[in-house]
Amino acid sequence: QAQLVESGGGVVQPGKSLRLSCAASGFTFSNDAMHWVRQAPGKGLEWVAVVWHDGSNKYYTDSVKGRFTISRDNSKNTLYLQMNSLTLEDTAVYYCAKGGRIVVESRTYYYGMDVWGQGTTVTVSS
Amino acid sequence: AIQMTQSPSSLSASVGDRVTITCRAGQDIGNDLDWYQQKPGKAPKLLIYGASNLQSGVPSRFSGSGSGTDFTLTISSLQPEDFAIYYCQEEHNFPWTFGQGTKVDIK
Repeated sequence: QAQLVESGGGVVQPGKSLRLSCAASGFTFSNDAMHWVRQAPGKGLEWVAVVWHDGSNKYYTDSVKGRFTISRDNSKNTLYLQMNSLTLEDTAVYYCAKGGRIVVESRTYYYGMDVWGQGTTVTVSS
Repeated sequence: AIQMTQSPSSLSASVGDRVTITCRAGQDIGNDLDWYQQKPGKAPKLLIYGASNLQSGVPSRFSGSGSGTDFTLTISSLQPEDFAIYYCQEEHNFPWTFGQGTKVDIK
């Protein structure tokens, strides 16, 4: 079945960079949009970014624009999140998630996030 | 970004109870609304997409309704495994936004 495994989290100083990875298996990775969602300690969920199935479109939440870059390598079934200029407010568990897709009468509909990884923890601390 | 407001923030209920959680969008989002369940230390799980479509594998005691700005998640008969935090999330425009969550705990 579909599975996502994040890696790359850790403790980093403010202003530094970190790259997260998300390895996908059990589905055709190149068919689906992919997302990053984060959750600060004791807080709710915050959607971070999305990349289209072919990498043609990318969108970000305002607080990470210009600092974070989402990308994917469909040949490696891997999603990435390059995080630069990290701040204390970026401390969170980061989840990758697969965009939902359903085909009805030859039409494709996209929805939500239907498969999630277990998360990787990023701690920004001096 | 579209603001999503859930109510209540928390509720206490007993096994077998009917539970209703509401979510209000700051603007008309049609039926571009999903619901997720999250248990402590675990990743969220998609329950409902498109406001009322049950995700594959999710028990039928979960249902969603609404359109425009007002939405509802209903659990028809609460089970022990349903004690969790529930989030609504709009997918009408990027950036997507989540509600603040509703914690369902044991009375």
